[in-house]
Amino acid sequence: AQSVAQPEDQVNVAEGNPLTVKCTYSVSGNPYLFWYVQYPNRGLQFLLKYITGDNLVKGSYGFEAEFNKSQTSFHLKKPSALVSDSALYFCAVRDAGYSTLTFGKGTMLLVSP
Amino acid sequence: DAGVTQSPTHLIKTRGQQVTLRCSPKSGHDTVSWYQQALGQGPQFIFQYYEEEERQRGNFPDRFSGHQFPNYSSELNVNALLLGDSALYLCASSSGLAGSLYEQYFGPGTRLTVT
Repeated sequence: AQSVAQPEDQVNVAEGNPLTVKCTYSVSGNPYLFWYVQYPNRGLQFLLKYITGDNLVKGSYGFEAEFNKSQTSFHLKKPSALVSDSALYFCAVRDAGYSTLTFGKGTMLLVSP
Repeated sequence: DAGVTQSPTHLIKTRGQQVTLRCSPKSGHDTVSWYQQALGQGPQFIFQYYEEEERQRGNFPDRFSGHQFPNYSSELNVNALLLGDSALYLCASSSGLAGSLYEQYFGPGTRLTVT
């Protein structure tokens, strides 16, 4: 069975500093990986995905993610954090056959002014 | 272009009651998936509907059932509500093509509270 782990419950970073939110995965076969963001009382918003190709994936709002097959990781990054980036971030892996997703438990990102 | 819509926004029910949640997919999408997000947890897959049939199901009891209509909208029904069913219920739509690589688009969710 596929699974996703987000080892950090919370990440704190100062505005303007780079941020990293960690994710590791376990799948059989090729991984299809996603990052979503959730703001309070809102649904999930898609940030980016890795299907194949370049290991560095660029997404919405200046976010990017680095796929590392040997370490089975898919860490979310941003060069310069904004206070408005403060939210709950979820990493997810897609089922091989259909489009259902298995999510991690989420990481709260807090960006201080 | 309307995104995924869900109704109602909030709902309060009593243990043992039944509830129906509704979802309209994003324009052009024909597949609807339902997820349960308990407080402090990531969303968990309940089931997926495509061509009016349940195509895949997660680890949820039979008290959870669904339906998809010809216009691709969907309902989630939960019978005999338990306190543990209190959660945010998320609907996501996508293209139903086999092996489709399109990401899922999520609605704002329905917050269900069972007392």
